[in-house]
Amino acid sequence: AQSVSQHNHHVILSEAASLELGCNYSYGGTVNLFWYVQYPGQHLQLLLKYFSGDPLVKGIKGFEAEFIKSKFSFNLRKPSVQWSDTAEYFCAVSGSYQKVTFGTGTKLQVIP
Amino acid sequence: GAGVSQSPRYKVAKRGQDVALRCDPISGHVSLFWYQQALGQGPEFLTYFQNEAQLDKSGLPSDRFFAERPEGSVSTLKIQRTQQEDSAVYLCASSFWAGERYEQYFGPGTRLTVT
Repeated sequence: AQSVSQHNHHVILSEAASLELGCNYSYGGTVNLFWYVQYPGQHLQLLLKYFSGDPLVKGIKGFEAEFIKSKFSFNLRKPSVQWSDTAEYFCAVSGSYQKVTFGTGTKLQVIP
Repeated sequence: GAGVSQSPRYKVAKRGQDVALRCDPISGHVSLFWYQQALGQGPEFLTYFQNEAQLDKSGLPSDRFFAERPEGSVSTLKIQRTQQEDSAVYLCASSFWAGERYEQYFGPGTRLTVT
């Protein structure tokens, strides 16, 4: 069975600070990895995804994530956060079967 | 349409009432998923359709939950005799084969509150 663990439940940062959100997954086969974002009052949006190839994946709005197979990790990073990045972030995994398993989410609050 | 749509967006039901939640996937998307997102949690898988066939319903929490997609397009998630623990956001997603992997798109969700 696949599972996802997000280490931080709530993160508070000042604007311009760097961000790293941890994500570890458990899955026995070839994985597809995702980060989704949910802005207040809005629906889930895909931030970035990893299927294969370059383990450093760049997404929208300056976000990136690095797939480290040996550590079963897919951490999300952004060098300088903005107030508009305040949202909840979900790491997710799927295998060859499309069912997506989500982590419990990390609430990011950016203080101006 | 441009994306996955769900209706209603908000539903308040009294305990014991039956509810029906609708999902309109992106046209042409073969696969359709339902997820349940409880407050403070990540979405959890409920069920999966490929066209009209329900291939996996292992995530449905009880036999009060029933989903259908009779013509392989619109899907309905029905909850009978709602309970307070059914309060959650119900998300629908549809996906298509992007040549290498499936790309899954989520709808805005239906927020169900059972009083």
